[in-house]
Amino acid sequence: DAKTTQPNSMESNEEEPVHLPCNHSTISGTDYIHWYRQLPSQGPEYVIHGLTSNVNNRMASLAIAEDRKSSTLILHRATLRDAAVYYCIRLNTGNQFYFGTGTSLTVIP
Amino acid sequence: ETGVTQSPTHLIKTRGQQVTLRCSSQSGHNTVSWYQQALGQGPQFIFQYYREEENGRGNFPPRFSGLQFPNYSSELNVNALELDDSALYLCASSLKGSYNSPLHFGNGTRLTVT
Repeated sequence: DAKTTQPNSMESNEEEPVHLPCNHSTISGTDYIHWYRQLPSQGPEYVIHGLTSNVNNRMASLAIAEDRKSSTLILHRATLRDAAVYYCIRLNTGNQFYFGTGTSLTVIP
Repeated sequence: ETGVTQSPTHLIKTRGQQVTLRCSSQSGHNTVSWYQQALGQGPQFIFQYYREEENGRGNFPPRFSGLQFPNYSSELNVNALELDDSALYLCASSLKGSYNSPLHFGNGTRLTVT
């Protein structure tokens, strides 16, 4: 039970920002939001995570809604190497990750 | 630091056979999780091991079993293979005790059951 909802696919032009949405309306107060991405023929790769506040790292930014029922992963300038499947995951207190089907991002040159 | 490594990278087995997949954790990590990823789907949680004991299990039958060794490496064993077991099997290590410790994945073992 993934308990998160994401669009199946999105497209972006190269060097433009990308906003990948995720709904997690039943999230509990202690669940963290994690984002991973998976390039073809590779295992998933950690992108970013957060609890309540917006978070930034070298790869991306994570914006979490005030009610925590949704979040958005922001890639500031999409490159061709960012083409991947992006997974939004709720991390429960058991430290167990449940993946959904993710969003397949296509970057157009 | 050494990342997560899995072996073999590819494997072909016949229905009814048994298979063992292996995983070496990233250095410093004490928890290992296994995932099954069917074509076009997201990874599905099989189980997690911590301190050599199973510490959580997804919706998989008992013929899926595992081991974790004192050096935190791990094995996934699947008995009585079925055609639907054909998938990419992913191993991930993390640091338990750090509540939101990210997972570090290997590149998986591609299992084909014929």
